[in-house]
Order: sequence, then C-alpha cells, then structure tokens
Amino acid sequence: DQQVKQNSPSLSVQEGRISILNCDYTNSMFDYFLWYKKYPAEGPTFLISISSIKDKNEDGRFTVFLNKSAKHLSLHIVPSQPGDSAVYFCAASANGGGADGLTFGKGTHLIIQP
Amino acid sequence: DTEVTQTPKHLVMGMTNKKSLKCEQHMGHRAMYWYKQKAKKPPELMFVYSYEKLSINESVPSRFSPECPNSSLLNLHLHALQPEDSALYLCASSQSGFEGYTFGSGTRLTVV
Repeated sequence: DQQVKQNSPSLSVQEGRISILNCDYTNSMFDYFLWYKKYPAEGPTFLISISSIKDKNEDGRFTVFLNKSAKHLSLHIVPSQPGDSAVYFCAASANGGGADGLTFGKGTHLIIQP
Repeated sequence: DTEVTQTPKHLVMGMTNKKSLKCEQHMGHRAMYWYKQKAKKPPELMFVYSYEKLSINESVPSRFSPECPNSSLLNLHLHALQPEDSALYLCASSQSGFEGYTFGSGTRLTVV
C-alpha cells in the first residue's frame, strides 16, 4: 500500500510559467514532508521541506503548500527554468524525527519546454 | 564539507563475490541511512543508524550487512547477491530531525 502518492508520472510546462507538482499521503502520522529533485544516476537533491505545523514554506522560486485535512501537498516552481527538468520526489516521515527514514512517492518527471 | 560521499560509483559483481559499499560524511550528522532504488521506482529505506547504532532494519535479507565503524562512516557489505539486487544504492545522513538530510550520489550496483 503506497503511503505517499504522486499520481502524475510526468508534467510538461513551458519555460517561464508555473510548475505545480502534487503529492498525496495516507498516513496521518506523517508530520514532516520534503521535496527532492533527482537527475539520472545521481542522488536526490534536497529542495524544500515543510513541517505539519505550517501550511506554506517558501524558498526562492520554490513554494510548498500543505493541506493537512486533505492530506495533500504541492510544490510550486515559478518561474520554471530549463534546468528544472528532472524527476521530483515527494517524501514524508512520521514522528518528526529523521531517524525513522523517509517514505518516497514514485516521482514526477518535470519537463520544461523552451 | 556539506557532502555525502559514496564509493565506488559503479560496481559489477558476481553472485559469489563479496564486496562493500562505502559512505562518508563530515558534517557531524548523527543519523546515517541506506536506501535502495530500482529503475523507475522511488528510493526504499533499508537501514538506519542513529548515533552509530542500528535503529531500523527494514526486513532486508542477510546478504546485505551494514556496518557503522564511526560517526562519519557507513558501510554496506554485500555477499551472495542475486541479479535482482542490481540497483542504485543511496546513502544519506542527517542531523537531529531532518536538519540537513543529505543524499550521496549513489553506487550503481550490477550483479551478474
């Protein structure tokens, strides 16, 4: 049973526009969420995180929104740039502690078109 | 130093071989992790070390044996692997909670 779901395997967005990547989760014990970006044959690179006590966190072009009642989070990238083309993973953990490890979604392949 | 370094980057081994994957970080992180990622799948947690003690083993077969010699190093010893164990093996580390949760670039393992 998948506890973290990214239902869009791929997303194509024009350069300069907003990219919105979605993530849903089923485990109500999850209280910390992270977004990672991954290029082929490389490890995931941390982008942004949010704790369940917040509903929004912003860092430059990246904003993550959390809707706890809907068990849904989204990553907004604006404006989208060609270098943003990669696979984006949503990850979650319970009990606020990194020592529990992360549960990942299957990823969304973002393609930024010129 | 803000990196997690994994060696080797690529490894091909036979089913009767014994090999080790290495992971190193000098950020003072107290938790270190091994993940396994198959093609087109998300990373899956294998082991967690917290303060050099194994705290989580996600029902990983005994042919994978982790070792944490000190707070900066994490090894994964491999023995009698199967071809289906071929994957990208990722190491990560973190400070308390999720502060600085950082992944290495991974070791691409092929079992023949």
